[in-house]
Amino acid sequence: DTGVSQNPRHKITKRGQNVTFRCDPISEHNRLYWYRQTLGQGPEFLTYFQNEAQLEKSRLLSDRFSAERPKGSFSTLEIQRTEQGDSAMYLCASSGAGGPGEQYFGPGTRLTVT
Amino acid sequence: RKEVEQDPGPFNVPEGATVAFNCTYSNSASQSFFWYRQDCRKEPKLLMSVYSSGNEDGRFTAQLNRASQYISLLIRDSKLSDSATYLCVVLGGGADGLTFGKGTHLIIQP
Repeated sequence: DTGVSQNPRHKITKRGQNVTFRCDPISEHNRLYWYRQTLGQGPEFLTYFQNEAQLEKSRLLSDRFSAERPKGSFSTLEIQRTEQGDSAMYLCASSGAGGPGEQYFGPGTRLTVT
Repeated sequence: RKEVEQDPGPFNVPEGATVAFNCTYSNSASQSFFWYRQDCRKEPKLLMSVYSSGNEDGRFTAQLNRASQYISLLIRDSKLSDSATYLCVVLGGGADGLTFGKGTHLIIQP
């Protein structure tokens, strides 16, 4: 399978704990995006990488959130001191030659903060 | 005001009917427009881009009205497999990430 993969698929954590998610984009794609989706809403943009450079962060990305893409391949999204409001589906997407509008999404990591 | 607004539905439509969805966007500097489809508990997938001149892909027709900041999607001869949430998506206007509407839920009934 050469699509976008995300791990873990599900994460349950207690409030105050730190969590880290991983995204492996399609190998030839240089752009990688993170989104958050809650029930009944469309995905909300969090941040974007072109190769290893983080080029944009949304206002939604508080200082408890950090994302990296150290070698321009896989990316990690870390949430520190999780809060119940962080419970959501975290989606990763990548794009390549088709341009930034043609994004391929991974299956997501569902985070539940108890 | 929400950047991309859609009627959430649900739209309950008999198989074979024609159905149309609309959305409006607030950022006049937006440059590119798309419809994505999301099945229940699945990730979004690109359905089609939307061009100023209007474009068609099989049973699907998309149109853009920049002056009114309005995007539409028409589905003809609807199939049971068209049941999904259709997300109106905008790119640009100073942002690199996609801006999604809440989605319109479509249910095709046999």
